[in-house]
Amino acid sequence: EAGVAQSPRYKIIEKRQSVAFWCNPISGHATLYWYQQILGQGPKLLIQFQNNGVVDDSQLPKDRFSAERLKGVDSTLKIQPAKLEDSAVYLCASSAAEGRYGYTFGSGTRLTVV
Amino acid sequence: RKEVEQDPGPFNVPEGATVAFNCTYSNSASQSFFWYRQDCRKEPKLLMSVYSSGNEDGRFTAQLNRASQYISLLIRDSKLSDSATYLCAVNRGYSTLTFGKGTMLLVSP
Repeated sequence: EAGVAQSPRYKIIEKRQSVAFWCNPISGHATLYWYQQILGQGPKLLIQFQNNGVVDDSQLPKDRFSAERLKGVDSTLKIQPAKLEDSAVYLCASSAAEGRYGYTFGSGTRLTVV
Repeated sequence: RKEVEQDPGPFNVPEGATVAFNCTYSNSASQSFFWYRQDCRKEPKLLMSVYSSGNEDGRFTAQLNRASQYISLLIRDSKLSDSATYLCAVNRGYSTLTFGKGTMLLVSP
């Protein structure tokens, strides 16, 4: 089975610029997650989708971050405008069966804001 | 108290040693528990689930202690290839996992 696909792998932008990340989950996985992992920290949930509906976005900085999953399959996470502290790895994950068997992560997008 | 806490380490052990990590969680209603392995500059990969009855997979044993609210991971006969960061993950509601900061393990020859 194909894994979770993410692009791009790396991105370097200047502060105040905008950036977008794309994720395609494992086929058939209804639940999709975006996590932010800052160096030396564990992954932190930004937003969780069930099909195309948002289940949890309580930790998403909504003044600058947005995400969508319009057709219940792939998803886009956007940051506008970026800040230096947004430098991190953005991980997409998907799960079946309400996450009872854990998640599968994509390889992530490493964002550097300069 | 943080939702999920781990000793960041690093744990430095020689090959062949047995090493154990603990992870404490604050939400007594948590139902699902996992250990993930993360290699440097890679994504986390599911190592094993943690069941109430414990779980063993080869050299790895995971246990859950609900009374004291912690999970553990025991690695026997450590290999160089076990060097990685081990993340524990605990659910906090509808399938959402909260991760600890991870424990770094370094296995030396």
